[in-house]
Amino acid sequence: DQQVKQNSPSLSVQEGRISILNCDYTNSMFDYFLWYKKYPAEGPTFLISISSIKDKNEDGRFTVFLNKSAKHLSLHIVPSQPGDSAVYFCAASRPGEDMRFGAGTRLTVKP
Amino acid sequence: DAGVIQSPRHEVTEMGQEVTLRCKPISGHNSLFWYRQTMMRGLELLIYFNNNVPIDDSGMPEDRFSAKMPNASFSTLKIQPSEPRDSAVYFCASRTTGGYGYTFGSGTRLTVV
Repeated sequence: DQQVKQNSPSLSVQEGRISILNCDYTNSMFDYFLWYKKYPAEGPTFLISISSIKDKNEDGRFTVFLNKSAKHLSLHIVPSQPGDSAVYFCAASRPGEDMRFGAGTRLTVKP
Repeated sequence: DAGVIQSPRHEVTEMGQEVTLRCKPISGHNSLFWYRQTMMRGLELLIYFNNNVPIDDSGMPEDRFSAKMPNASFSTLKIQPSEPRDSAVYFCASRTTGGYGYTFGSGTRLTVV
């Protein structure tokens, strides 16, 4: 049962442009959402998160948007840089419970 | 803080052999998670522990997989007998109970030939 879905397995953008990664979830009980970034041969690392009481959280070039009615969140990276090339995982959680991850989206930023 | 430590980093074994993956969580973190990453399914939760007690093992694929956490600083994931379809990267993660974000280890890449 995939409660968190990332329907785009890959995304390619030009350096300097905006990258938009999307994520959908099915469980309305999720109240916290996170994005993780993973480089090859490394474990996923935390990137940015958002609580369900907010609809936007910004950290430098990274912004996460949450649309609770649509059960949809997105990660915007602007401007995109070649070093952003990685696999991005969307995750959702309830307090004290395990996190559910999407299948990941491989972002390639071309110079 | 050395982070979550997993060993080995790479494991190549023959079908039918027993494989044991190891994890040392961050000190003070009392929740530990085992995930498997595959191309098709992304990060799948296999099992997680709170205070060394298994809470949810519904993600363990079958009886060939078992996990233990004998103390707060060590956990193992064992596959016996291993099969080629078990080939994947296995991640261990830890966090404080009640928290949200995990800290992941660097993973063990398992290849069963």
